[in-house]
Amino acid sequence: KQEVTQIPAALSVPEGENLVLNCSFTDSAIYNLQWFRQDPGKGLTSLLLIQSSQREQTSGRLNASLDKSSGRSTLYIAASQPGDSATYLCAVRVYGNKLVFGAGTILRVKS
Amino acid sequence: SQTIHQWPATLVQPVGSPLSLECTVEGTSNPNLYWYRQAAGRGLQLLFYSVGIGQISSEVPQNLSASRPQDRQFILSSKKLLLSDSGFYLCAWSPLGNIQYFGAGTRLSVL
Repeated sequence: KQEVTQIPAALSVPEGENLVLNCSFTDSAIYNLQWFRQDPGKGLTSLLLIQSSQREQTSGRLNASLDKSSGRSTLYIAASQPGDSATYLCAVRVYGNKLVFGAGTILRVKS
Repeated sequence: SQTIHQWPATLVQPVGSPLSLECTVEGTSNPNLYWYRQAAGRGLQLLFYSVGIGQISSEVPQNLSASRPQDRQFILSSKKLLLSDSGFYLCAWSPLGNIQYFGAGTRLSVL
């Protein structure tokens, strides 16, 4: 059974810092990995999707990497801003077009 | 462009009452549809998914059911709500094998 773990559970950083969020999964048989952002009481916004054959994806200040063989992904946020404060979720797509989610990392960027 | 609608945004229901949450998608045809639940401080749990009209797969045994009466309509129901049904319910859609797009969610409180 696929399990997804995100570390740390919560993170508080001063504005301007670069930071890394970690995601690990137990079964390397995935189709892709997706990073989402969730603001309090809101739905999920897709940030980046990495196909299983890819190593990384970039969008603006965000860079996500994938090491499928070791079951790890990282989300790198450059020059963090208070507006980046949110919960970040990673999810892997498994057989049957289903997503298995981690519990998320709560990020707070202090101004 | 495609959009996903979920309603209501919030709902307070007494224990033992019925439930009906509706999700509709516009701008696409034959999407995969999903219902997730997010308990406080936890990740998303897949409840149901559907690859077509009348085709529903249940992921976990529970007090809930789902139906897909039309191609772009997905309904989550219960005959008698339990306290443990409280949570944040999210509907999502995806083109086959691709990114999942989420609705704004419904906050359900069962009292």
